[in-house]
Amino acid sequence: EDKVVQSPLSLVVHEGDTVTLNCSYEVTNFRSLLWYKQEKKAPTFLFMLTSSGIEKKSGRLSSILDKKELFSILNITATQTGDSAVYLCAVLSSNTGKLIFGQGTTLQVKP
Amino acid sequence: DTGVSQNPRHKITKRGQNVTFRCDPISEHNRLYWYRQTLGQGPEFLTYFQNEAQLEKSRLLSDRFSAERPKGSFSTLEIQRTEQGDSAMYLCASSPPGTGVNEQYFGPGTRLTVT
Repeated sequence: EDKVVQSPLSLVVHEGDTVTLNCSYEVTNFRSLLWYKQEKKAPTFLFMLTSSGIEKKSGRLSSILDKKELFSILNITATQTGDSAVYLCAVLSSNTGKLIFGQGTTLQVKP
Repeated sequence: DTGVSQNPRHKITKRGQNVTFRCDPISEHNRLYWYRQTLGQGPEFLTYFQNEAQLEKSRLLSDRFSAERPKGSFSTLEIQRTEQGDSAMYLCASSPPGTGVNEQYFGPGTRLTVT
């Protein structure tokens, strides 16, 4: 059965800290891996990763995929309280584009 | 606002009643997805449309659930004889046409509470 596992499930840090969120997967017909941010509403798209070893970066957020070891990490540097959210990892599977989500990592950034 | 829209945003219903939700995808997005999300979990795939054709359904989609996309634009998700276990956030997402790998954009969701 396809599965996506995220760790840790929750994390509390202080502003300015750097965090690393982990996502591992076992999915047939892997096409790409996506990261979303969810703040009490619909998930908003962050990154899509298709190739191993190529870092995607947007401001203080960056992510990389390892297709050999079947995992991805999402890094957030110099965290701010506005980064507090649930971060979801999802794998795009098969030709239909079905997303298989992990259970999410809840990040709380304290002032 | 050119994003994915969903209506209603909240629905409270009594067990046994039927409910229908609507999703309007981003204009020109031909792929439309429905997901269900319960508290503390990631979204779970329910069904997928390409234009008006329903191409995949999850085993989570029991026979009480039906989805349509009659003209290849908006979609509806109906739940018949609702049960308390149907309480969840129902999310709709869309993605553009093309053979490449395309990210999905989510709507605000419809939160269903079955009492």
